[in-house]
Parts: sequence; C-alpha cells; structure tokens
Amino acid sequence: KAGVTQTPRYLIKTRGQQVTLSCSPISGHRSVSWYQQTPGQGLQFLFEYFSETQRNKGNFPGRFSGRQFSNSRSEMNVSTLELGDSALYLCASSLVGGTVNTEAFFGQGTRLTVV
Amino acid sequence: AQTVTQSQPEMSVQEAETVTLSCTYDTSESDYYLFWYKQPPSRQMILVIRQEAYKQQNATENRFSVNFQKAAKSFSLKISDSQLGDAAMYFCAYTASNSGYALNFGKGTSLLVTP
Repeated sequence: KAGVTQTPRYLIKTRGQQVTLSCSPISGHRSVSWYQQTPGQGLQFLFEYFSETQRNKGNFPGRFSGRQFSNSRSEMNVSTLELGDSALYLCASSLVGGTVNTEAFFGQGTRLTVV
Repeated sequence: AQTVTQSQPEMSVQEAETVTLSCTYDTSESDYYLFWYKQPPSRQMILVIRQEAYKQQNATENRFSVNFQKAAKSFSLKISDSQLGDAAMYFCAYTASNSGYALNFGKGTSLLVTP
C-alpha cells in the first residue's frame, strides 16, 4: 500500500510569489491535515480537510489556503510569500480524521525555501 | 490554549542502554490523548506510542513505554535497549476534541545513539 505522497519534495520561491503544494493520501483515507514545521515555531497545525470540506483550521493568516478534491488529494496554497514562510510542510492522512481512533500517517514533507 | 513542553533539546544514549525523554503539558480538559512521534532524517513523522488520558495503565510498544502522570501532567517516553536506528527527533504531542483533534506538538528532543 502506497504511503502519503507529497510533491514536490523541494521548492525555492521568491518573496511575493505564490506556491501550491500537493498531498496524495493513502488510498481510502478521506482526511488530510497540513502542518508547518520551522526551527523557531516547531510544528503547527494549518488545517484539515475531509470530504472536500475544511473541517478545522489553525491560527494562520488568510494567505494560507487549501482544498481537497473528490479523490481526497489535497493542495495547499500560500500567496504573497514571505521569508518566514520558509518551512517544511507536512501532510498527514487518516481514514476519517476528527478523531483519535484512526492513526494519522505523515508524508515526507515539502521543503519550501523563500528567498 | 494547550501547551506541550519538552525541556530536553538533546539527549544522548549508548547502544543497548535505556533513555527517558521528558514531556509536560498544560490542559484544562479531562479527556485527551498523548502521543510520541519519531522524525528520522527522512523527515517522515512516525507514531511511536499513544496514551489515552482515561487509561491509568501506561502504554507499551515493544522497547518503548511511557510514564503517564495525569495529576502532574507529565508524559515521558522510555526507550529500552536503545538501537542505532532510534536516533531521531522525538516529538511529544497532545490532542483533544476541543481542538478538533489537531495535534499540538512540543519542540522536540534530538536523540543521539552512540555505539
């Protein structure tokens, strides 16, 4: 069974640009969550999508957005990039999410560098 | 807001020895869940062990066990018979229904295993 796949693995963008990251969950998983990992702030929850709807949202500005498609694949978008957006972005999938009764499986992340 | 504190940025252990990683948390919830995740250099977060707050018995998974002290809000991870493959960042995480079961992570402890 394939794991959670995040693409691309590495990305370099310029301040002011926008970026889209992709996450393909494990087959059959309907919940996708996104986390930002930085040396200063650590791991922070961005949002969770389930059945194409955002079900939960962390404390991030509106420049951070996401969506989920009917096949459960998810994308997150960051507009007007800032230097502080440089981070490892991790995606996690689970069968249903919104509960601890199903384990969340993480991808290997996308390393975004903003210059 | 819930906070998770890992007071040991780095720990070192010799192969075959035992090491304990510390974690404390702050919450006003009575029903919550605690986790230890491992993040090796591949960056993929891997669930090591989980503990339900309503369970008095400490969780155990092979060489990994926890010491859950609910009154003290302490959740330490003990790794027995340490192996070179245990070298990684270890994150303590908390979740509860009032946060939609989003994971709230500590800053992590880097574990070095020496031969």
